[in-house]
Amino acid sequence: KNQVEQSPQSLIILEGKNCTLQCNYTVSPFSNLRWYKQDTGRGPVSLTIMTFSENTKSNGRYTATLDADTKQSSLHITASQLSDSASYICVVKGNNRLAFGKGNQVVVIP
Amino acid sequence: GAVVSQHPSRVICKSGTSVKIECRSLDFQATTMFWYRQFPKQSLMLMATSNEGSKATYEQGVEKDKFLINHASLTLSTLTVTSAHPEDSSFYICSADPSGGDLSTNTQYFGPGTRLTVL
Repeated sequence: KNQVEQSPQSLIILEGKNCTLQCNYTVSPFSNLRWYKQDTGRGPVSLTIMTFSENTKSNGRYTATLDADTKQSSLHITASQLSDSASYICVVKGNNRLAFGKGNQVVVIP
Repeated sequence: GAVVSQHPSRVICKSGTSVKIECRSLDFQATTMFWYRQFPKQSLMLMATSNEGSKATYEQGVEKDKFLINHASLTLSTLTVTSAHPEDSSFYICSADPSGGDLSTNTQYFGPGTRLTVL
């Protein structure tokens, strides 16, 4: 079983709308959690990184939250744009290793 | 932010040939780089950790004689897929961390990936 589970697997949203992506993990001990954006056929690009003591972190229209007690994280996209269409990958670091989720595939339509 | 490049971005080759993929850190030195492969709609899977000046560390199930890694300098690591077969077709991504091999700090910067298609 994957140590990082993301949901929904995919979603379609209208341009301008908001959406929230979920990441649940079982990695222990926990060091940090990162959200990446991966455009089709490209490498992942870092959006946010949060450590145990951080509950929320923003990067423009992207806001990540972390609940280390329940081992859950979310990525909220505000006022989505067509360029937000991509896969969003949750990556959790523990024991000096990275565990990757399969990604949330987001498609923004006009 | 830090920049990692890969070359080529895509390659098509015949079965049985070898393919070399380069990963370069453009504006920082990296004693450690990482090689991943990714299948469609799947997670990135770590293949090996490339260490400058020493042998690479391979993940369980990854054939070291199949996927040759050379970390020739602090800014260059190469992955050679030897005697490639159609099942080796995949998206190969490298990454590097400006802070070194300790994954506890900073962000890994990923290359843009190389799409390998073996006919």
